[in-house]
Amino acid sequence: SQQGEEDPQALSIQEGENATMNCSYKTSINNLQWYRQNSGRGLVHLILIRSNEREKHSGRLRVTLDTSKKSSSLLITASRAADTASYFCATAINTGGFKTIFGAGTRLFVKA
Amino acid sequence: DTEVTQTPKHLVMGMTNKKSLKCEQHMGHRAMYWYKQKAKKPPELMFVYSYEKLSINESVPSRFSPECPNSSLLNLHLHALQPEDSALYLCASSQQREGPQGREQYFGPGTRLTVT
Repeated sequence: SQQGEEDPQALSIQEGENATMNCSYKTSINNLQWYRQNSGRGLVHLILIRSNEREKHSGRLRVTLDTSKKSSSLLITASRAADTASYFCATAINTGGFKTIFGAGTRLFVKA
Repeated sequence: DTEVTQTPKHLVMGMTNKKSLKCEQHMGHRAMYWYKQKAKKPPELMFVYSYEKLSINESVPSRFSPECPNSSLLNLHLHALQPEDSALYLCASSQQREGPQGREQYFGPGTRLTVT
């Protein structure tokens, strides 16, 4: 099963609104990353938050991490039509070698 | 240059064919990855190479055979595939195999594979 589970599965908002996506995971992690994927293309790395960090900002993105609840959230402020994409959280876990496990993803649609 | 390139963009092959997917990066990354992604699903890790050596094989069927000829190139050789292997195959690289420091992965655009 996937390490990360995300909700909502799909989100539709108006341009200018904020979008919040949540990710939960099951085991201890070294870091958690968020990626964006446009319509069947490659993934683009957005932000990485380490397990000893609680909040991180990058432009219009804000990520929080609560290791006690094993959850993270991604907030996109003042959304734009160009933000329409799938967003995945990904956790780095040690299984004898570090590997990245992706969550199920949230499909965001921003209406102009 | 922060680009990972993949060829071909699209591939249609029969179940008896042999084909190869290619991936290239010139960022000096020593970790490279193959992922498989089905429609509306997250990428699933297949293989990890670290310093040109296979370090993780996620129990992938032997009809998929990875190869890392040098630090810039990663191939995925395909033979006797099944229709259910149709998917988007993504290559990625990172500065080093992920450790406690964690490293972001750079993804290529993928190869859309259809097995008929």
